[in-house]
Amino acid sequence: SYVLTQPPSVSVAPGQTARITCGGDDIGSKTVHWYQQRPGQAPVLVVYDESERPATLPERFSGSSSGNTAALTISRVEAEDEADYYCQVWHSRSDHMVFGGGTKLTVL
Amino acid sequence: EVQLVESGGRRVKPGGSLSLSCATSGFKLSSYMINWVRQAPGKGLEWVASISSSSNYIYYGESVRGRFTVSRDNARNSLSLQMNSLRVEDTAVYFCARQGQGYEESIDQWGQGTLVSVSS
Repeated sequence: SYVLTQPPSVSVAPGQTARITCGGDDIGSKTVHWYQQRPGQAPVLVVYDESERPATLPERFSGSSSGNTAALTISRVEAEDEADYYCQVWHSRSDHMVFGGGTKLTVL
Repeated sequence: EVQLVESGGRRVKPGGSLSLSCATSGFKLSSYMINWVRQAPGKGLEWVASISSSSNYIYYGESVRGRFTVSRDNARNSLSLQMNSLRVEDTAVYFCARQGQGYEESIDQWGQGTLVSVSS
């Protein structure tokens, strides 16, 4: 089965930049999406197709992907960005949707 | 307004069965794949199943294959997840989630989820 590996936690001070990684075998050749989930709420799409941002999301959210690592970058972090973040791909070889284990972003 | 509303979650004993429903509105259901995704208490997201727009293709996660069955009725704007032989580890919030036509497309809308608790 295909595995996506995320760090369990990332901490950053307000105004700084947070980078959350997602590791997977040749993930650079796959289509990667990122979701934000605040406590008690449903997930929300924040980046799709590696680097595209939904129109309702601020420009502070961006994504990239190459080789075996994809990344979500949040610039000028704000308190409201504190949440869990998940990467996701479709693994065509097994016809499975795969989520990373999630990363808890803490704003110090 | 696009909406997906899950219902049917409740407490059930191990070995029991349960059917969840997902009512949709605000969009043309027949144009979208739908996924069921679950989240155990304090844990991450786990994909359960995908059903294509016309039900031609249905895929299941390894942990539920053979026990869960997903179906849809585009005319009634609804979907269901039939869960049999439930286990304690099936305890989770179950989300109904909209995806584009292609498997590699993102999930752009989620329901609020319904809680299934499996315990004796």
